Amino acid sequence: GAVVSQHPSRVICKSGTSVKIECRSLDFQATTMFWYRQFPKKSLMLMATSNEGSKATYEQGVEKDKFLINHASLTLSTLTVTSAHPEDSSFYICSANPLTGVFYGYTFGSGTRLTVV
Amino acid sequence: RKEVEQDPGPFNVPEGATVAFNCTYSNSASQSFFWYRQDCRKEPKLLMSVYSSGNEDGRFTAQLNRASQYISLLIRDSKLSDSATYLCVVGSGNTGKLIFGQGTTLQVKP
Repeated sequence: GAVVSQHPSRVICKSGTSVKIECRSLDFQATTMFWYRQFPKKSLMLMATSNEGSKATYEQGVEKDKFLINHASLTLSTLTVTSAHPEDSSFYICSANPLTGVFYGYTFGSGTRLTVV
Repeated sequence: RKEVEQDPGPFNVPEGATVAFNCTYSNSASQSFFWYRQDCRKEPKLLMSVYSSGNEDGRFTAQLNRASQYISLLIRDSKLSDSATYLCVVGSGNTGKLIFGQGTTLQVKP
């Protein structure tokens, strides 16, 4: 149980274009999902908390107009990197946790490796 | 000061060795503690939760010292397959946020 699916796993895009990343909880519902970014040899950094039916909460220093988050249902959150630039190239990972049951730690999607050229 | 600090290593050990990783956290209000394992270019996977009483799962033992805000992970009888980066992760009780340490890299050699 507690499977999180993330798509796409890898994307290469041109500078100035937008990229959408999907995060789905396959066998559970989640009112909250989290989006992280990880640069090479660095730790995962929380970018924002995605809240179903309401606005996302962004961490300090993360531009909400650049990283658009939509959490329209209890099983899907999307992150759109708008007007991507090479410095946005990174590993983006989402996580979620079931609404009910014992908390065993968040389950992560398999990540999306974004390369902006 | 980082919220969660780990020695990045790398730790290079022979098969069969015992190795210990340490981690400190700065927020005394933290309520949940985990060790995650991350393989190269993959997502983190939960290795074990950490409880105040200490807990063991096979060759892995985790300890939490709330007074010192210190977490440890002990790996006994290291296997080649244990080679990975081990992430110390601390959770806030009311927000659900997870704060990740930089990770400690372990390389087990034959």
